Amino acid sequence: QQQVKQSPQSLIVQKGGISIINCAYENTAFDYFPWYQQFPGKGPALLIAIRPDVSEKKEGRFTISFNKSAKQFSLHIMDSQPGDSATYFCAASVQGRDDKIIFGKGTRLHILP
Amino acid sequence: ETGVTQSPTHLIKTRGQQVTLRCSSQSGHNTVSWYQQALGQGPQFIFQYYREEENGRGNFPPRFSGLQFPNYSSELNVNALELDDSALYLCASSEGGAMDEQFFGPGTRLTVL
Repeated sequence: QQQVKQSPQSLIVQKGGISIINCAYENTAFDYFPWYQQFPGKGPALLIAIRPDVSEKKEGRFTISFNKSAKQFSLHIMDSQPGDSATYFCAASVQGRDDKIIFGKGTRLHILP
Repeated sequence: ETGVTQSPTHLIKTRGQQVTLRCSSQSGHNTVSWYQQALGQGPQFIFQYYREEENGRGNFPPRFSGLQFPNYSSELNVNALELDDSALYLCASSEGGAMDEQFFGPGTRLTVL
């Protein structure tokens, strides 16, 4: 049973465009929703995270939108740059227990120069 | 401050063998989590260690075992290797409190022939 579903699997965006990645979750106990960025040969790195008490969080060009009733959240990358080309993972966890992170399957993003 | 390091970088084993992977956590971190990332998939939680005790386990068989040492470094041991164990094994460390960010190492690429 996949607890965090992510789409699309891959995405190609023109430089300067907006990249949008969507995720849905099932477990209503999740209370922490991070996004990770992974470059080839590297481990995932935390990009931005949100808790369910807010509907949006923005950090620079990266914005998370969160819809608690629909159990969905999305990552928007504004003014996408070639350096943003990487694999992005949405994730969820229940903080304070074992803190295990449940990852989506990932979106491979390619920004065309 | 050094980040999370893992060794070896790459490893090739044959089916039925045993393997030990190592992780040095980031300075000041007392919690280590291990994840398995199959090709094209998101990381899957194996288990977590907090102050030398197992603090949660994912859906992995008992032939996956671990240790955490007094200096908070950690080992992942896999016995009776199977072809499906071929994956990138990631270690992540955190300070151990609730809602603490997990910092990932670069991983060990294990190939089972």
